[in-house]
Amino acid sequence: GEDVEQSLFLSVREGDSSVINCTYTDSSSTYLYWYKQEPGAGLQLLTYIFSNMDMKQDQRLTVLLNKKDKHLSLRIADTQTGDSAIYFCAESSPNTDKLIFGTGTRLQVFP
Amino acid sequence: NAGVTQTPKFQVLKTGQSMTLQCAQDMNHEYMSWYRQDPGMGLRLIHYSVGAGITDQGEVPNGYNVSRSTTEDFPLRLLSAAPSQTSVYFCASRTGLADNEQFFGPGTRLTVL
Repeated sequence: GEDVEQSLFLSVREGDSSVINCTYTDSSSTYLYWYKQEPGAGLQLLTYIFSNMDMKQDQRLTVLLNKKDKHLSLRIADTQTGDSAIYFCAESSPNTDKLIFGTGTRLQVFP
Repeated sequence: NAGVTQTPKFQVLKTGQSMTLQCAQDMNHEYMSWYRQDPGMGLRLIHYSVGAGITDQGEVPNGYNVSRSTTEDFPLRLLSAAPSQTSVYFCASRTGLADNEQFFGPGTRLTVL
């Protein structure tokens, strides 16, 4: 079955890099996503990666995909207090609308 | 564009009451979905629709009904509310399969006493 796992909490100092990890089980996943949820708000898509890619960089964000180990990570460089939020990884299977979400990682950035 | 809108923002129900959570989008998206978010469990798919007149069950459909009479609207009905349905509900929409971004509404926080 499909399952996506994340650690629940991460705490980093402002200016450091944050690395949020995710493991998934569906080897047929075509797209893998990172969403950000700020307090009291819905989810916003941060970035996504196709399953045939190893890495994607977008400004301060770097996504790494290890398809063999079914491991996805999101690195945020120079983490700011405004990055404090819950980060969800999600996978989608081919030809469906279903997104399977992880439990979310709460990132806390302290000065 | 208003994007994805949801009403109400907050709702308190008594066990056994029924209600409808409203969701609308003005982006002409074919796909719409309802999720519930519970602490430590991420988002779980309740029902989804691939177009007007077509709906299907997600991961946790029991206790919920949906309909899709228009492209814009995708209401979620609770027929007889239970405390286990206390949650935050998110509606989402996107275009066809080739488009990856799913747009989320702001959520409805529901408490069932």
